[in-house]
Amino acid sequence: EIVLTQSPDFQSVTPKEKVTITCRASQSIGSSLHWYQQKPDQSPKLLIKYASQSFSGVPSRFSGSGSGTDFTLTINSLEAEDAATYYCHQSSSPMYTFGQGTKLEIK
Amino acid sequence: EVQLVESGGGLVKPGGSLRLSCAASGFTFSSYSMNWVRQAPGKGLEWVSSISSSSSYIYYADSVKGRFTISRDNAKNSLYLQMNSLRAEDTAVYYCARERPDFDYWGQGTLVTVSS
Repeated sequence: EIVLTQSPDFQSVTPKEKVTITCRASQSIGSSLHWYQQKPDQSPKLLIKYASQSFSGVPSRFSGSGSGTDFTLTINSLEAEDAATYYCHQSSSPMYTFGQGTKLEIK
Repeated sequence: EVQLVESGGGLVKPGGSLRLSCAASGFTFSSYSMNWVRQAPGKGLEWVSSISSSSSYIYYADSVKGRFTISRDNAKNSLYLQMNSLRAEDTAVYYCARERPDFDYWGQGTLVTVSS
């Protein structure tokens, strides 16, 4: 099983701040890494596919980078509506896995 | 518009069974692999199972292997999850998700509670 480890687990940030969330894979997964946003009492929503490709309709302040084992989700100029939990997900192995999640709190 | 609507959740006793359904619309269901993902109360996302478009390839998380069975009916645009020998730790919201293999669309989820 490919283990995905996100950091940090929790971050309290102020609006307009730049946020970086990392996801590290236990083995190389190429670019088969996707990012999701989940707000309270909602289903997860796809933000970034294949490490760096933005999903349709996602605000341009969200971007992704990385390959192999180390990946980053960046939120530029954070907005209050970005308060959510963010998850990475790998599709390199047919036994898919998710990271444990990173909760963003807006101060 | 792509829509995924889960149903079939509820309260079941440990050792019991439940069958979840996911009704798909707004896309060519038979062209996509589909997945079940669950989320225990206050916890993160856990992938449960996937099934390819023609049901040729099926995978399960170790935590449910031998107890859960995923299936689909392309004629009815429906995905299913038969859950047997349920345990307290299976308590979760169960989501169906379309695979590309990123999960681009998710349903609203259905809650399964395993408790005596």
